[in-house]
Amino acid sequence: GAVVSQHPSWVICKSGTSVKIECRSLDFQATTMFWYRQFPKQSLMLMATSNEGSKATYEQGVEKDKFLINHASLTLSTLTVTSAHPEDSSFYICSASGGAGYNEQFFGPGTRLTVL
Amino acid sequence: KNEVEQSPQNLTAQEGEFITINCSYSVGISALHWLQQHPGGGIVSLFMLSSGKKKHGRLIATINIQEKHSSLHITASHPRDSAVYICAVRARTSGSRLTFGEGTQLTVNP
Repeated sequence: GAVVSQHPSWVICKSGTSVKIECRSLDFQATTMFWYRQFPKQSLMLMATSNEGSKATYEQGVEKDKFLINHASLTLSTLTVTSAHPEDSSFYICSASGGAGYNEQFFGPGTRLTVL
Repeated sequence: KNEVEQSPQNLTAQEGEFITINCSYSVGISALHWLQQHPGGGIVSLFMLSSGKKKHGRLIATINIQEKHSSLHITASHPRDSAVYICAVRARTSGSRLTFGEGTQLTVNP
């Protein structure tokens, strides 16, 4: 299957700082990327869907000013957690899917964010 | 009631046993995914199904669209199969979005 990478794999930051997480599709062009968060022992929760070159679509209850998503190219999407707080500590996972007719999602390895 | 329900929630097996994990859903779908999540967190896509049956190594996935049900089978289970197995569906009305089940925690003991 196709490969999706995330960087960093884990990050620890102080409360109030911003953290950027990168999601890259390594061997295919990802027209759509998805960002999820996952709390311990829970399933994935979709935060937003981003299409290359357009604004992300956020799920209800997800603050778009807090979780900034940029999908500037067909191989890269970034999630920036602005002014992070301890309650933002979570596991963030991206997935990517290719063009029309190719709807399988390929998942990144995830980024564990800990906000102190 | 969740749109996607998995059973069992937890499953413990002895090495070599045949394992079945079930997934039922309540919406019309265009595809169903079986995913594997290891303790480190990374997710691997095992299968994407829209009909019938798929096999990859010791893993077999089946789907019955009329009954809105899918099963994931693991033959000759091994401790390295220990992981959370997640069923996710792409509803016909939801574009590319996936709806996830709660996951099944599988532990295979040597």
